[in-house]
Amino acid sequence: GQSLEQPSEVTAVEGAIVQINCTYQTSGFYGLSWYQQHDGGAPTFLSYNALDGLEETGRFSSFLSRSDSYGYLLLQELQMKDSASYFCAVRAITGGGNKLTFGTGTQLKVEL
Amino acid sequence: KAGVTQTPRYLIKTRGQQVTLSCSPISGHRSVSWYQQTPGQGLQFLFEYFSETQRNKGNFPGRFSGRQFSNSRSEMNVSTLELGDSALYLCASSLDAGYTPQETQYFGPGTRLLVL
Repeated sequence: GQSLEQPSEVTAVEGAIVQINCTYQTSGFYGLSWYQQHDGGAPTFLSYNALDGLEETGRFSSFLSRSDSYGYLLLQELQMKDSASYFCAVRAITGGGNKLTFGTGTQLKVEL
Repeated sequence: KAGVTQTPRYLIKTRGQQVTLSCSPISGHRSVSWYQQTPGQGLQFLFEYFSETQRNKGNFPGRFSGRQFSNSRSEMNVSTLELGDSALYLCASSLDAGYTPQETQYFGPGTRLLVL
């Protein structure tokens, strides 16, 4: 099966940088995704890493180390609107098709 | 292009009843996945459908079932509802459920089910 671990809560101030870590155990690993979910909203896709290294998309960056089964999401120049839950998710190919296994989520609180 | 739509948005049922939830994927998307989200368990994968066939299934009891129609719209059904089935049920669509590594799933707003 698959399992993922990420911190349950992170607090940071506006303008700062925050890193949300994710470690995973899985077979048939294909890639690591990150999703953002605001209270009452649907998860929205942020980034995807299939290969080792850093992917940058604006203020957000995501990193993957396949050998360490580890990844992180880096949020720069934090804004109040970044307060949300962030989920890492492992994409694994099991029996064909598409399956995402999500971590339990990290609630990010951005303070003034 | 319209996003993923789910109906109904809110639902209240009593124990023992059954419920059917509907999901319309983004136009052109052929894969539909269903997830259950609860505060205690997070987002848990229920099943995935592609071309009217179930491709993957999570670890949920047989009371949870689904299907997909030829237009890619999908329904999920929960029979004999239990209190623990109270959750947000999310549907996600993606373009192709094949072996494309950078495929993104787009989530609908969810159906919030309360079982009394």
